[in-house]
Amino acid sequence: GENVEQHPSTLSVQEGDGAVIKCTYSDSASNYFPWYKQELGKGPQLIIDIRSNVGEKKDQRIAVTLNKTAKHFSLHITETQPEDSAVYFCAASGNNDMRFGAGTRLTVKP
Amino acid sequence: DAGVTQSPTHLIKTRGQQVTLRCSPKSGHDTVSWYQQALGQGPQFIFQYYEEEERQRGNFPDRFSGHQFPNYSSELNVNALLLGDSALYLCASSRSNYGYTFGSGTRLTVV
Repeated sequence: GENVEQHPSTLSVQEGDGAVIKCTYSDSASNYFPWYKQELGKGPQLIIDIRSNVGEKKDQRIAVTLNKTAKHFSLHITETQPEDSAVYFCAASGNNDMRFGAGTRLTVKP
Repeated sequence: DAGVTQSPTHLIKTRGQQVTLRCSPKSGHDTVSWYQQALGQGPQFIFQYYEEEERQRGNFPDRFSGHQFPNYSSELNVNALLLGDSALYLCASSRSNYGYTFGSGTRLTVV
């Protein structure tokens, strides 16, 4: 089955700086790559996703890039704000399931 | 438009007991997936239901079983509970395999 690895496990940035989280996947059949934000006591919330026929997607301060050849994808957050502090998960899906990375705890210091 | 609803929100069970968790999918969604999330870890895929059938299964023992009803709602059953089954159980619904929407989860504690 699919195996997703995510780095770093923790990330601390100053407010206004950028943040990058990277993931790799193993199954070349995976064709859908969402990113989720999870706040304490809540379920994961979809923040952005990308399909395999696209190399980059942007939504305001958030962007995702995908390199299918290298089997890696990244989340980029610009101009970080304290409310961006949360745990972020990448995921990969392609065969009626979706597998998650272990998560990155992002802390944005004011 | 209600999102994904899970019940109960919290549950305490004794080792060896059985538990049933429930999930109502988002309106318009026909696929339900269940995940187990241990503290500080990513969600682990248990199984996915579509058209009332288990379509895909993760690496979980047969003690974990499920069901999907004609209205697309779903149940997760866990038999012979172990202490290690303590976790947040998440339900996600989708239409096809895109745009999973998660519920807030059921926090299961086994004592």
